[in-house]
Amino acid sequence: DQQVKQNSPSLSVQEGRISILNCDYTNSMFDYFLWYKKYPAEGPTFLISISSIKDKNEDGRFTVFLNKSAKHLSLHIVPSQPGDSAVYFCAAKIRGYQKVTFGTGTKLQVIP
Amino acid sequence: DAEITQSPRHKITETGRQVTLACHQTWNHNNMFWYRQDLGHGLRLIHYSYGVQDTNKGEVSDGYSVSRSNTEDLPLTLESAASSQTSVYFCASSEWTSGRDFTDTQYFGPGTRLTVL
Repeated sequence: DQQVKQNSPSLSVQEGRISILNCDYTNSMFDYFLWYKKYPAEGPTFLISISSIKDKNEDGRFTVFLNKSAKHLSLHIVPSQPGDSAVYFCAAKIRGYQKVTFGTGTKLQVIP
Repeated sequence: DAEITQSPRHKITETGRQVTLACHQTWNHNNMFWYRQDLGHGLRLIHYSYGVQDTNKGEVSDGYSVSRSNTEDLPLTLESAASSQTSVYFCASSEWTSGRDFTDTQYFGPGTRLTVL
């Protein structure tokens, strides 16, 4: 049972445009959400996160939006750059617990 | 600088062999995790540990074991390797944080690509 779902395995975007990566979750107990970025032959690295008490969190070019009623979150990258080309994993957890549930990942390609 | 390392980076073994993947972190984190990454499944938790002598099963623990004898290391053992265990394995560590956000960000190692023939 996949509790965190990323339904788009891949996405291509032109450089300078907006990239929108989507994620859905089913477990209503999740109250903290994270995005990790992964380059080939490297481990995932933390990118940005959001608590369930917020609906938006911004960090430079990266913004995460949370819609709790729809159990949906999205990552916006504006403007997209070729160096953003990577696999992005959505993840969810319950605050106070260390276990994290990851989605299947979306491979983003930013075309120069 | 603190880091988390995995060895070997690549391993080829035969069905039925015992294999141990090493994970070493110098963050002095209490929490350590093992994941496997497979196409279509993302990262799935195998085992995790909240401290020395503590180990817990994750969602895909069958055929794997871990032991935690010190803070820095969490080796992952495949008791009798199977072709279904061909995968990329990632180790991660984190520490408990206090405060409103409880970020507990996990730091990942570079991964071990394991092939079971």
